[in-house]
Amino acid sequence: EIVMTQSPATLSVSPGERATLSCRASQSVSSNLAWYQQKPGQAPRLLIYGASTRATGIPARFSGSGSGTEFTLTISSLQSEDFAVYYCQQYNNWPKTFGQGTKVEVK
Amino acid sequence: QVQLQESGPGLVKPSGTLSLTCAVSGGSISSRNWWSWIRQPPGKGLEWIGEIYHSGSTNYNPSLESRVTISVDKSKNQFSLKLSSVTAADTAVYYCARRNCAGDCYGFDIWGQGTMVTVSS
Repeated sequence: EIVMTQSPATLSVSPGERATLSCRASQSVSSNLAWYQQKPGQAPRLLIYGASTRATGIPARFSGSGSGTEFTLTISSLQSEDFAVYYCQQYNNWPKTFGQGTKVEVK
Repeated sequence: QVQLQESGPGLVKPSGTLSLTCAVSGGSISSRNWWSWIRQPPGKGLEWIGEIYHSGSTNYNPSLESRVTISVDKSKNQFSLKLSSVTAADTAVYYCARRNCAGDCYGFDIWGQGTMVTVSS
């Protein structure tokens, strides 16, 4: 099983600032990496797939990069609606596995 | 627009079987997608349980494989989850989700709202 490790566990950011979230895979997943946003009481929402492709309707302030084992999700200018938990997920191998999440909170 | 809706008992007794159904609306379950179950214990992260294709092909998480069965009913446009021998550790919000494979397969682009299942006597 591929283990996905996200850092930091919690990120404190002020509105309008840039947020950078990291995700590391225990072995290469190529570019088969997705990012999700989850707000309390809601299902996760797909933000990024293919490591860097924004899903339909996702604002341009969300961007993804990386390949192999190291990945980054960047939110260029945090809006109030962006404070949430973010998960990375690999779909290169079975079982599909998720990181433990990064909570982005208001500083 | 495709939508997913989970249904099933919210309370299951220990050692019993958890049974959930996911109804697919706005599209066909026979499309080129895989249909998954994912769960999230209270306050914790996401765990992929398994998936099914409309042909009946399945993939399961090895950590749950001995207790999981996922099936599809194309006539009702729905798929189902059965998890046997449940314990309190199986208490979670259970989501059904679509893994988009219209081109190359990628992430879970459509999710149900989730249903809370508690294992307790």
